[in-house]
Amino acid sequence: ETGVTQSPTHLIKTRGQQVTLRCSSQSGHNTVSWYQQALGQGPQFIFQYYREEENGRGNFPPRFSGLQFPNYSSELNVNALELDDSALYLCASSLGVRAGATEAFFGQGTRLTVV
Amino acid sequence: AQKVTQAQTEISVVEKEDVTLDCVYETRDTTYYLFWYKQPPSGELVFLIRRNSFDEQNEISGRYSWNFQKSTSSFNFTITASQVVDSAVYFCALYPHGSSNTGKLIFGQGTTLQVKP
Repeated sequence: ETGVTQSPTHLIKTRGQQVTLRCSSQSGHNTVSWYQQALGQGPQFIFQYYREEENGRGNFPPRFSGLQFPNYSSELNVNALELDDSALYLCASSLGVRAGATEAFFGQGTRLTVV
Repeated sequence: AQKVTQAQTEISVVEKEDVTLDCVYETRDTTYYLFWYKQPPSGELVFLIRRNSFDEQNEISGRYSWNFQKSTSSFNFTITASQVVDSAVYFCALYPHGSSNTGKLIFGQGTTLQVKP
């Protein structure tokens, strides 16, 4: 186990609703990244948080937003859900702002289904 | 463009066969890192290896080995004597270390490996 925990594990929402996904990073890690993985695809980078600030963002609309807390845990919020938002959402924790230059530990993900 | 291509969508082998998963990458950065991750049905991405662009030495870890060739922009992964427990989706990923990139790992589409008993 990596020590990265995500909740909930599964979620079903209706189109137009809002959702909050949570991630607890591995002890000692100060960076959290979020990825969206559609079925049969590779993960796509949503954004990264370092020391409570957004530190990089992929090609996702503003209705995808996040937070990082002083204990480095993080939330991903998605407003106005669309059917295409159905995916596995993965959280990764690492140490340092150049997160990709070190090993990133992933959680088991939250499977979001939008109906 | 910065991208990772895993041309093999699915591979099926019989237990004890050797199998190679291909990965080709593109980046304009001279410093970058390459990764392989394993994703079992549980969904968690399991880290296998990280290599930087200045270290082309091949690596072996048990039944796993990696062949990094900058000349062909490839970072291939070989499993020797495959086992049923190796069945999973494998992802190759790239981290370009340019100043504009702070956290983005670029993943390939993944290769689904099925090892039959």
